[in-house]
Amino acid sequence: EVQLLESGGDLVQPGGSLRLSCAASGFTLSTYAMTWVRQAPGKGLEWVTAITGSTTTTYYADSVKGRFTISRDSSKNTLYLQMNSLRAEDTAVYYCAKNVAAGTYDSWGPGTLVTVSS
Amino acid sequence: DIQMTQSPSSLSASVGDRVTITCRASQRISNSLNWYQQKPGKAPKLLMYVASSLQSGVPSRFSGSGSGTDFTLTISSLQPEDFATYYCQQSYSTPYTFGQGTKLEIK
Repeated sequence: EVQLLESGGDLVQPGGSLRLSCAASGFTLSTYAMTWVRQAPGKGLEWVTAITGSTTTTYYADSVKGRFTISRDSSKNTLYLQMNSLRAEDTAVYYCAKNVAAGTYDSWGPGTLVTVSS
Repeated sequence: DIQMTQSPSSLSASVGDRVTITCRASQRISNSLNWYQQKPGKAPKLLMYVASSLQSGVPSRFSGSGSGTDFTLTISSLQPEDFATYYCQQSYSTPYTFGQGTKLEIK
């Protein structure tokens, strides 16, 4: 059974950094493209970043480009999201999702909450 | 970026009703359109992909159609567990944008 579990969400001050993790089980993470999607409190879904399976090409939303970095550790079967220079508008639940095809997500984690506030 | 616009933003309906949600893309996206269902406090769930293909395990009362810029999600006979928020999403090009959501509530 495919499972994804995010962790690392926390309260952080503006300008601070945080690293989110997404532990995968039931499949080999490095063979699939993976994505982070976020949802601000009471708002809709926002695509954040993705990493391809084989080529490790990365893509970012303009709102996070230059501040966030997606990566993975194949030995730990874990996806990461390094978030720097955090802003209040980055406050959201962050979901990791497994791609069944480009831009299509068939498995999601339960999410982890990031709050950026002083 | 491709903008996705859903209508209506909210909808009240009764168990057994037939419901249709519309999604429009700001440019042609072929059939690169997905639908997700999200319940409060839960992660989204994939319902439909490439506009009209039903994800495994999703009840057949859900159906999707459309191509180009205009798409629809139809629920043929609403069940109590269908009351949720629905999002369309284009998978044509990055950033893979979502619609603003349609909240389906019990009348």
